[in-house]
Amino acid sequence: EAGVAQSPRYKIIEKRQSVAFWCNPISGHATLYWYQQILGQGPKLLIQFQNNGVVDDSQLPKDRFSAERLKGVDSTLKIQPAKLEDSAVYLCASSPEHVNQETQYFGPGTRLLVL
Amino acid sequence: AQTVTQSQPEMSVQEAETVTLSCTYDTSESDYYLFWYKQPPSRQMILVIRQEAYKQQNATENRFSVNFQKAAKSFSLKISDSQLGDAAMYFCAYSMEYGNKLVFGAGTILRVKS
Repeated sequence: EAGVAQSPRYKIIEKRQSVAFWCNPISGHATLYWYQQILGQGPKLLIQFQNNGVVDDSQLPKDRFSAERLKGVDSTLKIQPAKLEDSAVYLCASSPEHVNQETQYFGPGTRLLVL
Repeated sequence: AQTVTQSQPEMSVQEAETVTLSCTYDTSESDYYLFWYKQPPSRQMILVIRQEAYKQQNATENRFSVNFQKAAKSFSLKISDSQLGDAAMYFCAYSMEYGNKLVFGAGTILRVKS
């Protein structure tokens, strides 16, 4: 079974530029999560989707961050414009709909450096 | 709000020996899940072990076991026969119920000496 796929793996941009990250969850997983992990900290949830609907986006800085999961499968997270403090690893995770719903499986992450 | 605390920023263990990583959490819920994730330098978050709060029996996965003390809100991870490949950052995480976000601790760096 293929794992959670993310791209790109690394991205370097200048502040005020825009950037987009892509995630493809494990096949059949209904729930998709985006986490932000700043260096030296644990991951923090940005947004959670159930199929193509948003379940929790309370911690998403909506003035600059947006995310979508149009067909209930893959998802895109966008930052526009980027700030220096957005430098972090962005982790995507998914969980199944029935058995072991509580367990999240993570992708390899995208490392973002904002200069 | 639920919080997870890992009080050990860094731990060291000799290869083949046993080490215990500590975690405490705060919640008013009675049903929830607890997890230990391992994050090597590649940054891939790997599930090590999970515990359902309604189960009194401590979870075990090969060399990894937990000591779950529900009343004390404590959830420690024991790694037996430590191997060089166990070196990583270890995160304790809490989930209120299935399909809910994970709340992570700050992590503990585990170093394994040969």
